[in-house]
Amino acid sequence: DTAVSQTPKYLVTQMGNDKSIKCEQNLGHDTMYWYKQDSKKFLKIMFSYNNKELIINETVPNRFSPKSPDKAHLNLHINSLELGDSAVYFCASSQGEAQGALHFGNGTRLTVT
Amino acid sequence: SQQGEEDPQALSIQEGENATMNCSYKTSINNLQWYRQNSGRGLVHLILIRSNEREKHSGRLRVTLDTSKKSSSLLITASRAADTASYFCATAIIQGAQKLVFGQGTRLTINP
Repeated sequence: DTAVSQTPKYLVTQMGNDKSIKCEQNLGHDTMYWYKQDSKKFLKIMFSYNNKELIINETVPNRFSPKSPDKAHLNLHINSLELGDSAVYFCASSQGEAQGALHFGNGTRLTVT
Repeated sequence: SQQGEEDPQALSIQEGENATMNCSYKTSINNLQWYRQNSGRGLVHLILIRSNEREKHSGRLRVTLDTSKKSSSLLITASRAADTASYFCATAIIQGAQKLVFGQGTRLTINP
């Protein structure tokens, strides 16, 4: 009964490949997010969707494309992976836009070689 | 520099002692939240304090907010080994859309 689940947990791939990370929440929340955590633990917002509508796009390269097929899902597709994309990617959800608590998934550790 | 900055970056104390972590921010906020992250896991929400509140308690946690100084503190009393984790403050701000901006966290180690 995991609240926010993301798959895969680990992703190792070579430069230039395309990969996707999936996220699902069963909390009934209307807002979902992608955050990137770098090696220094700095957590930076990438995207936010409210009711399937993109509301935040934080100067992320257009190689990153989020897709929200419904309120419970927010997937992240990354084209032409680069070494600098290596990080832990967290999906999160909330009810309303960032006014209440965020519920995080356990992260996807992406390693680009 | 970041919207939210925690201080210290790392803190190591003995079990049973109190741990205090501080957070400073730059812009006006709607609320400020504290999260815990255990190694290899996602962040877990601990407590939210609104901009018109000055202090809030939850179990062994006490959070203060000083909007005039743009700072907050998290106090964990009677620390336990299980409190070992990274602690992040996050500020709810409006920059175009409303969003939650995180600091870099304080790494807390509780020594048995």
